Amino acid sequence: DTGVSQDPRHKITKRGQNVTFRCDPISEHNRLYWYRQTLGQGPEFLTYFQNEAQLEKSRLLSDRFSAERPKGSFSTLEIQRTEQGDSAMYLCASSFEGFAYEQYFGPGTRLTVT
Amino acid sequence: AQSVSQHNHHVILSEAASLELGCNYSYGGTVNLFWYVQYPGQHLQLLLKYFSGDPLVKGIKGFEAEFIKSKFSFNLRKPSVQWSDTAEYFCAVNERMAGKSTFGDGTTLTVKP
Repeated sequence: DTGVSQDPRHKITKRGQNVTFRCDPISEHNRLYWYRQTLGQGPEFLTYFQNEAQLEKSRLLSDRFSAERPKGSFSTLEIQRTEQGDSAMYLCASSFEGFAYEQYFGPGTRLTVT
Repeated sequence: AQSVSQHNHHVILSEAASLELGCNYSYGGTVNLFWYVQYPGQHLQLLLKYFSGDPLVKGIKGFEAEFIKSKFSFNLRKPSVQWSDTAEYFCAVNERMAGKSTFGDGTTLTVKP
């Protein structure tokens, strides 16, 4: 079990640039989640996939944010035209399908928008 | 909308002291409940979980939590903390048939040796 991995671990970008993050879930898991965490707060849900289908998106996910999971394995989260308010830790988690399974989190990608 | 409230933002204890961290949620339906821990420099790890059955659940490292449905609470306890328990603790809730979890803002625990 290699756990959930995320790449890159850190990203510094200038305002207005586009960024893309990748998440590789635990291989047996068919659910994949994206959360955002800012200092002093808990993770906030952004979106989740079951296999390749995106089942739910938060209102936090503006039209500048898009997530994909094309083959039901890894996922990408893209932020277009980044703003300083996008600076945060972006967390990925995965789980089995069903209500009785917990989510396993990756180490996160820390985004700093200058 | 569902929300989770953790009453203490920062708790400071001496080793061997007892710990109780409060967690209340607002949702009237069936829920799953979790406590996660984040040690310095590490990612979120599951400490314990409640899905159904005995409302007193035991997790790793001597932690336990009690689900009190009438109070919408899921408080975390440990009878005797250690310096290595210094970490941030997050309570999380998800609706039984939903995918996402709603997290509290966390409690930072500092244990003095």
